[in-house]
Amino acid sequence: DIQMTQSPSSLSASVGDRVTITCRASQTITYYLNWYQQKSGEAPKLLVYSASTLQSGVPSRFSGSGSGTDFTLTISSLEPEDFATYYCQQSYTRTTFGQGTKVEIK
Amino acid sequence: EVQLVESGGDLVQPGRSLRLSCAISGFPFNDHAMHWIRQVPGKGLEWVSGISWNSGQIDYVDSVKGRFIISRDNGKKSLYLQMNSLRIEDTALYYCAKDISPVITHGALFDYWGQGTLVTVSS
Repeated sequence: DIQMTQSPSSLSASVGDRVTITCRASQTITYYLNWYQQKSGEAPKLLVYSASTLQSGVPSRFSGSGSGTDFTLTISSLEPEDFATYYCQQSYTRTTFGQGTKVEIK
Repeated sequence: EVQLVESGGDLVQPGRSLRLSCAISGFPFNDHAMHWIRQVPGKGLEWVSGISWNSGQIDYVDSVKGRFIISRDNGKKSLYLQMNSLRIEDTALYYCAKDISPVITHGALFDYWGQGTLVTVSS
């Protein structure tokens, strides 16, 4: 199975900060990379699919980029409601998730 | 409104069985593949199993192959997971999730999730 490695595992940031989370695949997955946000006690929510397409209703401060093996999720200006854990997911083959990146308040 | 409501989670002893259910409403169930995804409390997400719209394609993570069986009833708009020979490491919150695609070849994308049902395997 394809291994997905996210970095960092956690980060502390302030409201208004620009935040970047990276996800690396153990082999090429072309653009089959999705991002989810999970708040404490809630189910995950789809943010970005096919590496860079924003899901309907997701604020434009979120963006995704990358292809092949290296991908990023960027939050251009962190809002209070963005403090959560973020997961990448590859769907090139049998799907696997990254281990998650927890975004905490600084 | 799309709703996925899981049920059936419980505390069970190792080696026993459990059947999870997921009741679906708000979208054409028989147009979409469905999946089970689990999460150990405080840990990450692990895809467990997926089933295509017509049950023609089924897949499992290696750790549950031969023990878990996924199924669906399109008439009842329900998804199931029969979990046999349960192990302590199966303890997790189990989510059902809707795929945007009708099949489970590459491209799995989970646009709606339930709130999960907790399975605890302990002696």
